[in-house]
Amino acid sequence: QQQVKQSPQSLIVQKGGISIINCAYENTAFDYFPWYQQFPGKGPALLIAIRPDVSEKKEGRFTISFNKSAKQFSLHIMDSQPGDSATYFCAASSFRNTGGFKTIFGAGTRLFVKA
Amino acid sequence: SAVISQKPSRDICQRGTSLTIQCQVDSQVTMMFWYRQQPGQSLTLIATANQGSEATYESGFVIDKFPISRPNLTFSTLTVSNMSPEDSSIYLCSVDHRFGSGTRLTVV
Repeated sequence: QQQVKQSPQSLIVQKGGISIINCAYENTAFDYFPWYQQFPGKGPALLIAIRPDVSEKKEGRFTISFNKSAKQFSLHIMDSQPGDSATYFCAASSFRNTGGFKTIFGAGTRLFVKA
Repeated sequence: SAVISQKPSRDICQRGTSLTIQCQVDSQVTMMFWYRQQPGQSLTLIATANQGSEATYESGFVIDKFPISRPNLTFSTLTVSNMSPEDSSIYLCSVDHRFGSGTRLTVV
């Protein structure tokens, strides 16, 4: 119930194309869904995040689509560029009764954008 | 958003030794989190560090192996004790859903 399932494991997209990464969760207590971008040798960088009361959030070329009833959310990268080549992680976070919160991460998607 | 600084950025250590990783934040925060990222894998929460109380460890992680200090609202340390090659990972500090640059640990 605590898992976040992410797909695909890897993705190759042509420059200018749309990259789509999907995630699914089970625990309805999750109330914050961030996406991270990680380049080799670097820590994950928070890219964009959404709360379950919103169905879509867009920031520049990055859009999160959120389907609360299906317990699924996805990241769309429009006009994908070679510089977007990185590993992307979805995550889901929930508050704990004992205080604080816990974040569960998906397995990651390696994106390669061909020039 | 807070700026998170971690050091060392990387280290190569002998098995059986310990390494202490430092995390400094440029603003006061209640909760700091420590994660592990094994090679080519996702991130796993080790523990939550609150100032003034003992850290809360996740299943599979124990205080004897990963002691944590939280002396004030801007600083925390994670020690990886009695290291083995299986401890080779990136260790990351996190605040408010953001991460430091990580410490890449190699145990030989």
